[in-house]
Amino acid sequence: ETVLTQSPATLSLSPGERATLSCRASQSVSRYLAWYQQKPGQAPRLLIYDASNRATGIPARFSGSGSGTDFTLTISSLEPEDFAVYYCLQRSNWLYSFGQGTKLEIK
Amino acid sequence: EVQVLESGGGLVQPGGSLRLSCAASGFSFGSYGMTWVRQAPGKGLEWVSGISGSGGGTHYADSVKGRFTISRDNSKNTLYLQMNSLRAEDTAIYYCATVNSGSYNFDYWGQGTPVTVSS
Repeated sequence: ETVLTQSPATLSLSPGERATLSCRASQSVSRYLAWYQQKPGQAPRLLIYDASNRATGIPARFSGSGSGTDFTLTISSLEPEDFAVYYCLQRSNWLYSFGQGTKLEIK
Repeated sequence: EVQVLESGGGLVQPGGSLRLSCAASGFSFGSYGMTWVRQAPGKGLEWVSGISGSGGGTHYADSVKGRFTISRDNSKNTLYLQMNSLRAEDTAIYYCATVNSGSYNFDYWGQGTPVTVSS
C-alpha cells in the first residue's frame, strides 16, 4: 500500500500570499497524483490530476508539479475562497489512497 | 449536467448491515467506473471501493474487504454499496463519485450520505 504524507498539516497565510503544499509518497506513483480541495460541509473538488493538469474550470493560480514520490500544489496568490483543506490522492491499478490533508487557514 | 445522489445512510447497530445507493444522471453511466469514498467525523478522506463501468472489476480497501460489496445496475443508472458486519469505525459520510475514464480520477461527487454505527 502506498502511503501519502502531506505537509504541513496546517498552513497559515494571508490573502495575496503564495501557498506551497507538499505531498510525499512512500513509493513511486509516477505522475498518477491528484489534488482535491474540500470546504466545510461540501464534497471534495478535483483541482489537479496527473500531477500537473488543471481540471475543468480551475483557475490558473492553481498549479501542480512533481513526479515519482514528491509533489507540490502551488497557489500563486491566495483568494479568500481558497482557504480550505487540500488532499492529495494517488492511484495504482484501481487501488487508491489519500494523504491526511493540509488545512490552509487565514492568518 | 452530471449528477450523483447518494441515499440509504442511517443509524445501525454494530454487526448490522446497510445498503447505500447512488443514483446517477447526465452521463452515460455504463461507460464510467464509479467509486465510494468515506470521511469519518472530523477526519480525512478514505477510499473505500471502486467498480469498472461494466461491473466486471471490483476493488476494495483492506479496511472493508470481505465486509463490503460494491455493485451497479446499469439499466437503472445506480451504484450500490452493501455494508455488512458494520463497526463503530465505519461511521462516516459516504460519498459516491465518477471515475474519469482517461485519468482514473474522481471527477463528480455527490453530497454524501451519513452512516452511524452505534448501539
